[in-house]
Amino acid sequence: KNEVEQSPQNLTAQEGEFITINCSYSVGISALHWLQQHPGGGIVSLFMLSSGKKKHGRLIATINIQEKHSSLHITASHPRDSAVYICAVLNSGGSNYKLTFGKGTLLTVNP
Amino acid sequence: EAGVAQSPRYKIIEKRQSVAFWCNPISGHATLYWYQQILGQGPKLLIQFQNNGVVDDSQLPKDRFSAERLKGVDSTLKIQPAKLEDSAVYLCASSVMGVLFTEQFFGPGTRLTVL
Repeated sequence: KNEVEQSPQNLTAQEGEFITINCSYSVGISALHWLQQHPGGGIVSLFMLSSGKKKHGRLIATINIQEKHSSLHITASHPRDSAVYICAVLNSGGSNYKLTFGKGTLLTVNP
Repeated sequence: EAGVAQSPRYKIIEKRQSVAFWCNPISGHATLYWYQQILGQGPKLLIQFQNNGVVDDSQLPKDRFSAERLKGVDSTLKIQPAKLEDSAVYLCASSVMGVLFTEQFFGPGTRLTVL
């Protein structure tokens, strides 16, 4: 079982819809990252959070440490939001902290 | 601010051949990471450098993979000899300091196809 599970794996939406991507993890963590990866492109960090909620433009990320769960929401989705969204958790592996990544959620927003 | 640079962007080789990837991190970033991302998977850390020292290489297949970061700046990742299962995108990332508190900045990646 992967330490980081994302759902859904694939998501198709119409422009303007409210999007939710979920991330569950099974280990104790120091922080959680949400990342965006466009096809053929590199990865961009969207959020790093360890508690509560963060908002940036149309993106909102929440985390519930007790339930080991985080969600990424996109309001008023747009075709340019089409990308893979990856959840990664920061946890301690011995003396070194490392990121463990989920498999990603492929989001397609149609006009 | 210039981002993380990687080259080449694409590489196609036959199995048992050798290949090398290059990464130039953001200026001033002490920590450099190499990740392997197989299609449909999230990135997997291969090696993490702090300046020119190795912090974590526990998931690096050392029988065929090697990496170095001379002078604590640029880094190269080498595969020798390559296997079919090495086909993946190899991502380089850097951060100001260790991963604990700071954001990682990713390069565009090198897509390797092993035939």
